[in-house]
Amino acid sequence: EVQLLESGGGLVQPGGSLRLSCAASGFTFSSYAMSWVRQAPGKGLEWVSGFSDSGGSTYYADSVKGRFTISRDNSKNTLYLQMNSLRAEDTAVYYCARDLGSVTTYYFDYWGQGTLVTVSS
Amino acid sequence: SSELTQDPSVSVALGQTVRITCQGDSLRSYYASWYQQKPGQAPVLVIYGKNNRPSGIPDRFSGSSSGNTASLTITGAQAEDEADYYCNSRDSSGNHVVFGGGTKLTVL
Repeated sequence: EVQLLESGGGLVQPGGSLRLSCAASGFTFSSYAMSWVRQAPGKGLEWVSGFSDSGGSTYYADSVKGRFTISRDNSKNTLYLQMNSLRAEDTAVYYCARDLGSVTTYYFDYWGQGTLVTVSS
Repeated sequence: SSELTQDPSVSVALGQTVRITCQGDSLRSYYASWYQQKPGQAPVLVIYGKNNRPSGIPDRFSGSSSGNTASLTITGAQAEDEADYYCNSRDSSGNHVVFGGGTKLTVL
């Protein structure tokens, strides 16, 4: 059974940092691209960042580029999101999701339960 | 702002058919995928690719596409289908991922 378990969320002051983790199990982690998707309170889904399954390519939404860093440790089956220079608008539930895609489609077939990040003084 | 546009809300009578749409230029190149999200829960994939359902998704859910518009159709809506529905695809550049703003489905 595929499982994704996020951790590391919490309350942080504006300008602060936080590192999220996503522990994966039930599949060959190194064979899949992974992403972080967030959802601000009462708002829609927003893709934040993605990490390819091979080649080490990373991708970021314009809203977080230069502040957030995605990484993965395939030996630990874990995806990370280092978040620096946090702003109030980064307040959201952060989901880890498994990517699948092809030339004509792109989707997230498994999601974690999310971890809440609150940026406030 | 999202590059995929969805109606904020749609309603359907119990047992009737409802179509939820998603518009965007990237949909001329990519199929949309669709997610169902109930309050307090993570999103669940319901349709991907041309018209594929993951295991466990009822066959009353189907997807279609024409030009820059993708549609999610629920044939014979049930009370448990009341939820928020989001579409997603790659953006026009192909380097990023976009979601629609979401559609709140009410089953009357």
